[in-house]
Amino acid sequence: AQSVTQPDIHITVSEGASLELRCNYSYGATPYLFWYVQSPGQGLQLLLKYFSGDTLVQGIKGFEAEFKRSQSSFNLRKPSVHWSDAAEYFCAVGGTGYSTLTFGKGTMLLVSP
Amino acid sequence: ETGVTQSPTHLIKTRGQQVTLRCSSQSGHNTVSWYQQALGQGPQFIFQYYREEENGRGNFPPRFSGLQFPNYSSELNVNALELDDSALYLCASSGKQGNTEAFFGQGTRLTVV
Repeated sequence: AQSVTQPDIHITVSEGASLELRCNYSYGATPYLFWYVQSPGQGLQLLLKYFSGDTLVQGIKGFEAEFKRSQSSFNLRKPSVHWSDAAEYFCAVGGTGYSTLTFGKGTMLLVSP
Repeated sequence: ETGVTQSPTHLIKTRGQQVTLRCSSQSGHNTVSWYQQALGQGPQFIFQYYREEENGRGNFPPRFSGLQFPNYSSELNVNALELDDSALYLCASSGKQGNTEAFFGQGTRLTVV
C-alpha cells in the first residue's frame, strides 16, 4: 500500500530564511509526487509535481523539490520565505491508472518576522 | 482559480440525517475524485468517478455514495450521518483516467451535531 510521511507537524521559519519541508513516500512502482499548499479553510493548490525526468522540479511561488529515489524522499525547498507562505503543506503520491492521491498529514509552516 | 466549484461552502446537519454535496468539474475534465479531510489531517480518498462510473474507492462505508452526470459534474451523498463525518470535503477533477494531476475545489465544510 502506498503511504506518505511528513515528519514535521509544525515548522517555524524567519522571514527571508530558507525552508525545507520533508516528505518520505512508500510506493511499489514509479511514483507520481506532488506538493500542495492549503490556506486556512481553503482547498488545495498545486505547487509542483514530479512525473519523470529531471529529479529537481520547479514550481510556483519560487518553490522547488528534489526527487531522491534511493531515499524515497521528495523534499520541498524555498531559498527565501515570505510571510505569505505561511500555510499548511501537503505531500502526496499517486500512480498511473487512477488519478487518486495518498496524502501525508501535512506540515504547518509558520513565518516569524 | 482551478475552475472546480463546490456547493454549498458550509453545512450543518444533525446526526442521522442525510447530506448531498455537489461539485462542478473543470471544463474538459471527465474524472472527479472526492476526498475527506478531517481537522488536522491530510485528505483521504473516498472514491472516484470516470465517465459516470465509480472507478475506485477508498476505505469508506457504503453510506458514502456518489454520482457523476453526463456533464461530468458530481454529487457525494452521505446517509445516516455520524459525528465523525464532520470534515472538509474536497472535490478534485482531472483530465482523463491515468492523468494524476488533480485540481481541487475550495471544499464543503460539513459539521454534524
